[in-house]
Amino acid sequence: DGGITQSPKYLFRKEGQNVTLSCEQNLNHDAMYWYRQDPGQGLRLIYYSQIVNDFQKGDIAEGYSVSREKKESFPLTVTSAQKNPTAFYLCASSSGPGGETQYFGPGTRLLVL
Amino acid sequence: QQQVKQSPQSLIVQKGGIPIINCAYENTAFDYFPWYQQFPGKGPALLIAIRPDVSEKKEGRFTISFNKSAKQFSLHIMDSQPGDSATYFCAASTGGSQGNLIFGKGTKLSVKP
Repeated sequence: DGGITQSPKYLFRKEGQNVTLSCEQNLNHDAMYWYRQDPGQGLRLIYYSQIVNDFQKGDIAEGYSVSREKKESFPLTVTSAQKNPTAFYLCASSSGPGGETQYFGPGTRLLVL
Repeated sequence: QQQVKQSPQSLIVQKGGIPIINCAYENTAFDYFPWYQQFPGKGPALLIAIRPDVSEKKEGRFTISFNKSAKQFSLHIMDSQPGDSATYFCAASTGGSQGNLIFGKGTKLSVKP
């Protein structure tokens, strides 16, 4: 059963805490992406990676960090420097660069306690 | 110039009606225009996509119309059903290694029975 999985579905963050969101894909896709979705704001790109061990900042990378040690995995860490982390986080992948035909995971909703 | 402007923000139609969602862009280098459908609490799913070499594309009840000279494209949903109630996003990409998807802000569609 191919696809993209994200975990957890809900995540709670305390003040000053770093939290990590998981994204795994078994589609054999080279490119992976992290988006943040806020009501009425559409999808905004946080980070993307076109190949293992390489990643680039998107439009709103401040307060976030990523790693791409394996082709299948692209975890996102929301650091304490991100002052407004409450949002719906979406991971996506595509078979090649250019962002075409991206497939999305089910999302993780991050809430601040 | 990287923006994709989507309208309307929200749309209510009766069952059987034909909702139309419009998007406009400035960057003439965009060459891939997908539409995504998102249900509450879920990740977006690719609905239909078009390239600038055609003016119209149909898949089932969904049609994209593309006007290259006006730099506009639109989604039409024929014989709309309550199950089509969702948020729809248009997007655009230039392709290549730097061509990430740029998303519109979304249109929330409600189809009344």
